[in-house]
Amino acid sequence: SYVLTQPPSVSVAPGKTARITCGGNNIGSKSVHWYQQKPGQAPVLVIYYDSDRPSGIPERFSGSNSGNTATLTISRVEAGDEADYYCQVWDSSSDPLYVFGTGTKVTVL
Amino acid sequence: EVQLVQSGAEVKKPGATVKISCKVSGYTFTDYYMHWVQQAPGKGLEWMGLVDPEDGETIYAEKFQGRVTITADTSTDTAYMELSSLRSEDTAVYYCATDFCSSTSCPVPLGLSLWGQGTLVTVSS
Repeated sequence: SYVLTQPPSVSVAPGKTARITCGGNNIGSKSVHWYQQKPGQAPVLVIYYDSDRPSGIPERFSGSNSGNTATLTISRVEAGDEADYYCQVWDSSSDPLYVFGTGTKVTVL
Repeated sequence: EVQLVQSGAEVKKPGATVKISCKVSGYTFTDYYMHWVQQAPGKGLEWMGLVDPEDGETIYAEKFQGRVTITADTSTDTAYMELSSLRSEDTAVYYCATDFCSSTSCPVPLGLSLWGQGTLVTVSS
């Protein structure tokens, strides 16, 4: 199965930039999606196809993907960005077909 | 309003079966795949499988194969996820979600942009 590895936690001060990595074998050849999940809530899609933002997601959220690492970047971090973040890919040759990363807890200091 | 509304929390004994529903409104149910995702307490997201409501075809993650059945009732625009032979490790919140993709669209699937509110299943003797 295809494995996506994320750091367990990232801490960032308000107004600074948070970068969350998602490592996978040749992940740059896949399309990566990112989700934000706050306690007790369903996940929310914040980035799809590596770097596209769904309607309603602030421009502060951006994504990139190359080589073996995809990155979600949150600029000008706000207290409301504190949440768990998950990357996800579709791998037609893997089981499961849809793979989630291990998740990263972002703490706003 | 486009939304997915799931059935309420369940408490089951080990060995039992649970069936969770996911009611679609605001879009044509048969147009897009419906996925199910498991999240154990304090743990990450795990994809369980999907159903194509158009024809009922399913794809399951191997981890759940043999214990999970995902169906779609087009008369009520409702998807179901049934998990059998429950054990304590199945205690989790289960989500339905769609990426607004089908067998004829999205050569590469979009992300899951619409989620249900989640259903907590507790397995305890």
